[in-house]
Amino acid sequence: DAGVTQSPTHLIKTRGQQVTLRCSPKSGHDTVSWYQQALGQGPQFIFQYYEEEERQRGNFPDRFSGHQFPNYSSELNVNALLLGDSALYLCASRWGSGANVLTFGAGSRLTVL
Amino acid sequence: DQQVKQNSPSLSVQEGRISILNCDYTNSMFDYFLWYKKYPAEGPTFLISISSIKDKNEDGRFTVFLNKSAKHLSLHIVPSQPGDSAVYFCAASSNSGGSNYKLTFGKGTLLTVNP
Repeated sequence: DAGVTQSPTHLIKTRGQQVTLRCSPKSGHDTVSWYQQALGQGPQFIFQYYEEEERQRGNFPDRFSGHQFPNYSSELNVNALLLGDSALYLCASRWGSGANVLTFGAGSRLTVL
Repeated sequence: DQQVKQNSPSLSVQEGRISILNCDYTNSMFDYFLWYKKYPAEGPTFLISISSIKDKNEDGRFTVFLNKSAKHLSLHIVPSQPGDSAVYFCAASSNSGGSNYKLTFGKGTLLTVNP
């Protein structure tokens, strides 16, 4: 049973560029959340998708956007990249109607030069 | 404003001894608490959780204690093993279940268990 899978694993971008990160949730899960983990920090909530809609959003600017597809997979898009966007981006999934535990993927390491 | 605080960036213990990791929170609305551990190059892995209606939850070598009046929780690992060496994150939520569920994490504590 595959867990949460994310791609790409690593990527390097330059300031001002745009990036798209992808996530496939664990089998049976229908809710996807994205977290940003900067160096030396804990994961910080970006937003959550359920039934293809953004349900809740953390304190992130509009440069961060997302999408959830009918098969529950999700994308995170970041526009106009800044140096401070360099971080590990974690996708997490759960079954939306009750589970309190998030299952995390290994993350996508983004470096902005 | 950090709502979940792990004030010890690192902790070193000997194999076989007890490891105690601490976590404090400020948001009284938090009603569910979790511990995750993270190895390098891997995502956080769920370890153990506790609801605010309880003050203790045990799972094998791992026990979590919750003191609501002090807004404090701790994770005890007994006995500690070298494979327990990882970063441990404390996390909290204020809406168990439902479509608005999110976790607020602390900064983590790096546990090193020495053979």
